[in-house]
Amino acid sequence: IAGITQAPTSQILAAGRRMTLRCTQDMRHNAMYWYRQDLGLGLRLIHYSNTAGTTGKGEVPDGYSVSRANTDDFPLTLASAVPSQTSVYFCASSPDRMNYGYTFGSGTRLTVV
Amino acid sequence: QKEVEQDPGPLSVPEGAIVSLNCTYSNSAFQYFMWYRQYSRKGPELLMYTYSSGNKEDGRFTAQVDKSSKYISLFIRDSQPSDSATYLCAMSRDTGGSYIPTFGRGTSLIVHP
Repeated sequence: IAGITQAPTSQILAAGRRMTLRCTQDMRHNAMYWYRQDLGLGLRLIHYSNTAGTTGKGEVPDGYSVSRANTDDFPLTLASAVPSQTSVYFCASSPDRMNYGYTFGSGTRLTVV
Repeated sequence: QKEVEQDPGPLSVPEGAIVSLNCTYSNSAFQYFMWYRQYSRKGPELLMYTYSSGNKEDGRFTAQVDKSSKYISLFIRDSQPSDSATYLCAMSRDTGGSYIPTFGRGTSLIVHP
């Protein structure tokens, strides 16, 4: 089934630990995005990639890093997790940087304790 | 003031009612307007996509854009309990070659039998 796969589905993480959230798509979309969704704040863009090999910063990039080695994968890394990074993280993709609407993954629910 | 304002609700209606969901925005440069539906513990899914002003209909759903008033609406006719979800508006503009959308915070809709 074409779409976006995110892993893990949920995770409890000790503060200070490093973690990578995985995102894989099989639609050959060029553009990919990472959002966090918090109650009352809505979806906020963390990082994006318009095409393989390029990345850019979104609204809330601090504490996060991304890489885009190929078209299909767009991992998000928390170098040293803090409790304020407790959130639901969504990966999304679109055919290209022109926004025709996104396809979202099912999310990773992360709790930092 | 956020660029995109959306009443969080919840909006509770009886089955069969006509539902009106709305967003206002402040930036007249927005060109593309979208509505996403998000079920509990799932990722958002694209419902409607419109460019510039006017109406677009898809089954029971009608999206309306009034650029002069900076106001967009989503109407749901003959609402069903399965329409119970959070509805997110989103809009985008050219930001140096990218069209990354700005999302509203979402309106929670409850359709009771």
